[in-house]
Amino acid sequence: ETGVTQTPRHLVMGMTNKKSLKCEQHLGHNAMYWYKQSAKKPLELMFVYNFKEQTENNSVPSRFSPECPNSSHLFLHLHTLQPEDSALYLCASSQRTSGLQETQYFGPGTRLLVL
Amino acid sequence: AQSVAQPEDQVNVAEGNPLTVKCTYSVSGNPYLFWYVQYPNRGLQFLLKYITGDNLVKGSYGFEAEFNKSQTSFHLKKPSALVSDSALYFCAVRDESDYKLSFGAGTTVTVRA
Repeated sequence: ETGVTQTPRHLVMGMTNKKSLKCEQHLGHNAMYWYKQSAKKPLELMFVYNFKEQTENNSVPSRFSPECPNSSHLFLHLHTLQPEDSALYLCASSQRTSGLQETQYFGPGTRLLVL
Repeated sequence: AQSVAQPEDQVNVAEGNPLTVKCTYSVSGNPYLFWYVQYPNRGLQFLLKYITGDNLVKGSYGFEAEFNKSQTSFHLKKPSALVSDSALYFCAVRDESDYKLSFGAGTTVTVRA
């Protein structure tokens, strides 16, 4: 798991708070992803960045705001969340130039609880 | 559209017995198939993938998976399960024309000593 790191690992926030999740990949990849994992449900793709450009926003509410300053770092800014946003948020990265045979590698996730 | 089904929420086996975790998929083109494992409080770890070639794919920790195009399946197998294999397993598929992965809901494997 040292390839993709995420901080914090756990976060508790109120509905009026603003917080940010951070992801860093040490694999030299050029694409990064945010996923939401809820219990007993498939992973939900939220955002995709390719060479720092956002290429996918999977109908995510505006209270989630991604930022990708460079190919190694990805942030998810959180604002006025709802209790149903409580979940495990996973970051992943891949090497896009290897073609569609690329493999996504995941970080350990941030466990978010919204009160 | 692409999708994955993992028909079993839970699989229980005794240590030393064979382990099988089932996965079926649906894609419009040729599939690229993946298995990931998630241990408690950890992220997803890549186990193996099928892109093309031999239908039997070998991966990490003694796991293997068999691609069956006629049955649209990609079942994960291990000949002799260990207690440490207890985890949540995810199957994922990608169409050859798309980079986005579609995941199944996961199967919880419990290996009892």
